[in-house]
Amino acid sequence: DSGVTQTPKHLITATGQRVTLRCSPRSGDLSVYWYQQSLDQGLQFLIQYYNGEERAKGNILERFSAQQFPDLHSELNLSSLELGDSALYFCASSGGASGYNEQFFGPGTRLTVL
Amino acid sequence: GQSLEQPSEVTAVEGAIVQMNCTYQTSGFYGLSWYQQHDGGAPTFLSYNALDGLEETGRFSSFLSRSDSYGYLLLQELQMKDSASYFCAVSRLSGGSYIPTFGRGTSLIVHP
Repeated sequence: DSGVTQTPKHLITATGQRVTLRCSPRSGDLSVYWYQQSLDQGLQFLIQYYNGEERAKGNILERFSAQQFPDLHSELNLSSLELGDSALYFCASSGGASGYNEQFFGPGTRLTVL
Repeated sequence: GQSLEQPSEVTAVEGAIVQMNCTYQTSGFYGLSWYQQHDGGAPTFLSYNALDGLEETGRFSSFLSRSDSYGYLLLQELQMKDSASYFCAVSRLSGGSYIPTFGRGTSLIVHP
């Protein structure tokens, strides 16, 4: 158990819909990272927040957005969903602001878009 | 752009030693990390190399050569539970931020 929690564990929705994934980092960690893992694209870094502020941006689509709240939990919002958005979404946390620190991954949310 | 190359699959026998390679091309290289992921599970951190040389943690060792843009993960005394996917990830500095990029992973299959 990494100490990072993610909800929900599974999510099934239809194309065009909007969903919100939630992540709570390990106690004391200020950084939260979001990743998408699919069979054809591997593990793709989406975005990082540090202490409430966006810190680094990866291959995040404009239809996706994220935020980190004062209690440090984070939410990833996916809108206008397409079939290709079906994937495993991981959140990770670390103590520092730099992306090279050891990251602790949550169990993931499996999103299925029908 | 950046790219990482890892062999897609490696097989080995229980008790043996296995090496999994990672070559990369990226600007602003800062360091190389390794993660293990079992089927359906979350990636777990194994090691990090920022400088050339070998880092050892128990049965796991990781090596980096910055001049060759190459690294490897070495697993000794293989156990069945080591069957998993192993990802290398580069951290590159871009615009003041460290951007992690993961390879496609090597699937390690350990046979009895």
